[in-house]
Order: sequence, then C-alpha cells, then structure tokens
Amino acid sequence: DIQMTQSPSSMSVSLGDTVTITCRASQDVGIYVNWFQQTPGKSPRRMIHRATNLADGVPSRFSGRRSGSDYSLTISSLESEDVADYHCLQYDEYPYTFGAGTKLELK
Amino acid sequence: QVTLKESGPGILQPSQTLSLTCSFSGFSLTTYGMCVGWIRQSSGKGLEWLTNIWWNDDKYYNPSLKNRLTISKDTSNNQAFLKITNMDTADTATYYCARRNYGGYDYWGQGVMVTVSS
Repeated sequence: DIQMTQSPSSMSVSLGDTVTITCRASQDVGIYVNWFQQTPGKSPRRMIHRATNLADGVPSRFSGRRSGSDYSLTISSLESEDVADYHCLQYDEYPYTFGAGTKLELK
Repeated sequence: QVTLKESGPGILQPSQTLSLTCSFSGFSLTTYGMCVGWIRQSSGKGLEWLTNIWWNDDKYYNPSLKNRLTISKDTSNNQAFLKITNMDTADTATYYCARRNYGGYDYWGQGVMVTVSS
C-alpha cells in the first residue's frame, strides 16, 4: 500500500499565521491527491483536488503544491474558521490511503 | 445539487453483519466516470478508505478488511450499499459515503455512527 506520511500531527497556531502541512507519498501518486478539512462532528470538506487545484467555494488563502512525492497544503493569513483537522488522500492507486491527519489548535 | 446520506443500524453485536445504505441525489451512478465510495473514521482517529463502486459496476476493496466487504448499487433508486461481515468492536466508527469523480471525493454524506458492542 502507498503510505502518505503527513506532518506535523498537530500544530499550535495564531490567527494571521501562514501554515503549511505536508504529505509525503511512499510511491509516485502523480497529481491524484486531495486535501480535506474537517471540523468536529462534521464530514470532511474537499479543499484541494489534483494536488494543486482549489475546490469550488474554497477561499484563495488555501493553496496546494506538489514537489515530486511531497504534497503540501498552505493556509495564508489563518482565520478562526480554518482551525480544524486536515487530511491528505492519494487516489491514484488502490487501496486509496489517507495521511494520519493534522490538528490545528489555537495558541 | 449533490447530496448523499448514509443510513444504518447504529448499534450491532460482535460477529453480526453491518448493512449500510447511501442514498444520493444530484447525480447518477449510470453516468460515465461516476463513482461512490465508503470511508470510515474511528473516534478521534484518521480516515480509512474501504471501497468504491463505479458506474460500470467495477468494484474495489481495501484488502486490509480481507473478504468482509461487499459494495453494491441500485441505480434506479440512486443508492449504494455496503455490507461488512463479522463485525468487531474495532469496526466501531463513523461511516461515510462520498462521490468520487476526476477530482477525488468531492461530496460527502453526513456520516452514520456505528457502534459494535455486546
């Protein structure tokens, strides 16, 4: 199975910060990476598709990058509504695999 | 408007079979390239992909659950189904269905919590 190694597992943040979360794929997954945001008690919300594309309705302060097998989600000028859990997913090869998740917490 | 909603028993005993239904609207599983998947999440833990079913009835399963999973669909009623046999306490989780298209999983249901307990 492809491992998606996500880091950090948690991050203490302040409003206005620029935050970057990374997933490293153990094999080539091309552009087939999603990033999801999840708040307590809610379903995951797709933020990024095909590694770098902003999903519909997602604020432009979110961005996705790919560098080889490293994928990152960056949130610029963090707002309070962005404090959540974030998950990456590779959907290139079965079984699809998620990263372990990153929890953002306010300082 | 695309919506999905999961339904299921809520609680069951170890060794029983879980049957979940995903009722959706706003798209059809007869459309080329369309897919519905099931994903689960144990309390406070990460997400685990379980299975996909495609418009052409191709099915894919997570081998970590061995042969316990069965996915199916009823295109006339816009539903997808998941069965998991031999449920264990370790299968206690929130189960989600989600639509998969070229951009991955774009729409998710609200999830259904399933508890396995004797």
